[in-house]
Amino acid sequence: GDSVTQTEGQVALSEEDFLTIHCNYSASGYPALFWYVQYPGEGPQFLFRASRDKEKGSSRGFEATYNKEATSFHLQKASVQESDSAVYYCALSNRGSALGRLHFGAGTQLIVIP
Amino acid sequence: DPKIIQKPKYLVAVTGSEKILICEQYLGHNAMYWYRQSAKKPLEFMFSYSYQKLMDNQTASSRFQPQSSKKNHLDLQITALKPDDSATYFCASSQETGGSQNTLYFGAGTRLSVL
Repeated sequence: GDSVTQTEGQVALSEEDFLTIHCNYSASGYPALFWYVQYPGEGPQFLFRASRDKEKGSSRGFEATYNKEATSFHLQKASVQESDSAVYYCALSNRGSALGRLHFGAGTQLIVIP
Repeated sequence: DPKIIQKPKYLVAVTGSEKILICEQYLGHNAMYWYRQSAKKPLEFMFSYSYQKLMDNQTASSRFQPQSSKKNHLDLQITALKPDDSATYFCASSQETGGSQNTLYFGAGTRLSVL
């Protein structure tokens, strides 16, 4: 079945550090890939998505590039701020799956130390 | 203002009781969903509705019953509650386009604790 793996359970950085959160997927065909961010007490918020190989998604300084060969969609940001502290989820959606069914990774908690 | 309203934010119930989780969306979307987030588990898809019709049910138990009284409402009735049902339940919506690229927008969730 379709699945998403996020390597890091938690990442701790200082402000202005470079961020990478790794996301690899396993799916048949050509899934759409998403990043969501969740702040405490809130629901997941859509960051961006990509639908085809080499497409770059971006929002709020975060970006990720769809890599079909490597089955990856790693999240990056050049300079993190304390306000970026949150849980980040990689997710995929595939044709033939249930309507609106996103397969989420386990999430990566980002802690940014001022 | 939040565009997807979930009520209540917190809910405590006793084992065996029944509760209804409320969800209203004001995004004009035609599809709505329920997801569950349990401790130490990824977000898990439960149900999808399109134009008030059930499209998919990934919940094994019939104790979970979605109810759509209006186009922008999708409530979740849970009967015979068990401690394992303790989780945060998220309502979401999207503009259904027939592909795999629907972007889902989530509410703030209802945190259910079953004692």
